Amino acid sequence: KAGVTQTPRYLIKTRGQQVTLSCSPISGHRSVSWYQQTPGQGLQFLFEYFSETQRNKGNFPGRFSGRQFSNSRSEMNVSTLELGDSALYLCASSLKAGTRSTDTQYFGPGTRLTVL
Amino acid sequence: AQSVTQLDSQVPVFEEAPVELRCNYSSSVSVYLFWYVQYPNQGLQLLLKYLSGSTLVESINGFEAEFNKSQTSFHLRKPSVHISDTAEYFCAVSPHHSQQNTGFQKLVFGTGTRLLVSP
Repeated sequence: KAGVTQTPRYLIKTRGQQVTLSCSPISGHRSVSWYQQTPGQGLQFLFEYFSETQRNKGNFPGRFSGRQFSNSRSEMNVSTLELGDSALYLCASSLKAGTRSTDTQYFGPGTRLTVL
Repeated sequence: AQSVTQLDSQVPVFEEAPVELRCNYSSSVSVYLFWYVQYPNQGLQLLLKYLSGSTLVESINGFEAEFNKSQTSFHLRKPSVHISDTAEYFCAVSPHHSQQNTGFQKLVFGTGTRLLVSP
């Protein structure tokens, strides 16, 4: 079974631009979460989607948004890019949510965004 | 809320020596515990997890971790490391399913420990 895929793998943008990152979960997985990884802040939770609905959001400004499609694929968008948005953006998928047991999250390789 | 502390930012060790990577957590509710490994320029790979049952959990590549509720710890150990174990290791927690809102799967990570194995 194919793992979580993220596109593109690398991206270079300039301040003020916007960017869209894509994540395809493992087949059959319905929950997708996004994390930002930076040397200074480490791994931080951005948001989680399940059944096309955002279930929870981390402490990030409104410039960070996302969505999930009916096939569980997800995109995240960052508008008005700032230098501090340079990071590795990781997507994770899990089988289901809202059940009586936790689900292990499986991560993709990430998209490395550089903002100049 | 949960928090995870990995006190050692870097652990140098010689090949075939034992290693322990420390992880302590804080939480007002029950949690699940995870160790993830990140090789250079890659995403996170699940190494092992504790959900319930036996407090000692093992991975397929020789790592093990023991959940100690009284000490709120989940230290990772390996009796004999290889050069290929060089990577960054992250400890993470998520709230027990009984404490989760529907669909809430947030992982809280520690700051990571870089394991450097040299010949």
